[in-house]
This record gives sequence, C-alpha cells and structure tokens, in this order.
Amino acid sequence: DIQMTQSPFSLSASVGDRVTITCRASDDISSYLSWYHQRPGKAPRLLIYAVSNLEDGVSPRFSGSGSGSGTDFTLTITDLQPEDFGMYYCQQSYSFPWTFGQGTRVDVK
Amino acid sequence: QITLKESGPTLVKPTQTLTLTCTFSGFSLTGTGVAVGWIRQPPGKALEWLALIEGDGNKQYSPSLSDRLTITKDTSKNQVVLEISDVDPVDTGTYYCAHRLIMGFGPWGQGTLVFVSS
Repeated sequence: DIQMTQSPFSLSASVGDRVTITCRASDDISSYLSWYHQRPGKAPRLLIYAVSNLEDGVSPRFSGSGSGSGTDFTLTITDLQPEDFGMYYCQQSYSFPWTFGQGTRVDVK
Repeated sequence: QITLKESGPTLVKPTQTLTLTCTFSGFSLTGTGVAVGWIRQPPGKALEWLALIEGDGNKQYSPSLSDRLTITKDTSKNQVVLEISDVDPVDTGTYYCAHRLIMGFGPWGQGTLVFVSS
C-alpha cells in the first residue's frame, strides 16, 4: 500500500494568514493526488484534484502544487477565512488501495 | 446536480452483518468512467477507503477488509450497497459514500454513523 504522510499534524493560524500543508507519498503517485477539507461533523469536500486543479466552486485562495517527484505535494491557503478551519486530508488515487493522509488540523490561534 | 445519501442501521451487534445503502441522483452508474466509493471514519480518526464499484461492474476492495466486504449496485434504483460481515466494535464510525471523479471523490454523502456494540 502507498502511505500518505501529512505535516504538520496540526497548526494554529489567524484569519488572513497564509497556511501551507504538505503531503508525502511513500511511492511515486504521478499526479494522482487530491485534497479535501472537512469541518467538524460534516462530510469531506474535494478542494483540489490532480495536484493543482481546483474543484468547481472552490475559492481560488486554495492552491496545490507538487515538486515534480511524484511524492511531495503542498496545499496552500492564502488569506485564511473562518470557514477554512477544520481538517485537511490528502489522498492518492494512483493505485488501489486508495489511501488518505492522517489529516492536518487547522484551528484558530 | 449530483447528490448521494447513505442509509443503514445506527446500531449493530458484534458478529452481525452491516448493510449500508447509498442512494444517489444526478448520474447513472453504467458504463465506463463512473464509479461510487465507500469511505469510513472512526470517531476522531482519519478517513479510510473501503471499496469502489464502477459502472461496468468492476469492483475494488481494501485488502485489509476484502474478506468481509461486498459491494453491489442496483442501477434501476440508483443505489450502491456495501455489506460488512462479522462486524466488531472497531468498525464503529461514520460511513460515507461518494461519487468518483477522474481523480478523487466528489461530492460525498452526508455520512451515516454506525455503532457496533452488544
């Protein structure tokens, strides 16, 4: 199985901050990387697919990038808003079983 | 507009079989390129992918649970059913179904919380 490791586990930030979350795959997953946001008690919502493609309706304050290695990926949130707090997960769909990272909690500083 | 909704029991006893139904609208689960997946989340823990069924009938299961999982579809009812046999308290959690995009899942159902306890 491909292991997905996110860092940091959690971070505290203020409204208006720029936030960066990283995700590392244990093997090359090409561009098969998605990011999700989950608010407490709610279902996850797809933010970004194929490393850097913004899902319809998602704010352009969210962006994704990859190092080109197929293993290292980054989610960046600019001008953090109150609705952005919660959990963020990366997920690979390169090979079965599809796997998620352990999550990164973003809370209010 | 694509929507999905999970349904099933709130409480099941250990060793029983858990049957969850995903009822969807806005797409047809037929042919290639379309699929529905199941993902679960134990309380306070991360997401775990369980199974996927494609419109052409192809199925994929999490290897760690494959001997206990069965996923099926009823195209006429726009439903996908996931059965988990021989449940244990560690199977407690929220179960989501989701529409598969080219990469990733979106949208997701609201989830259904299942407790496994005697």
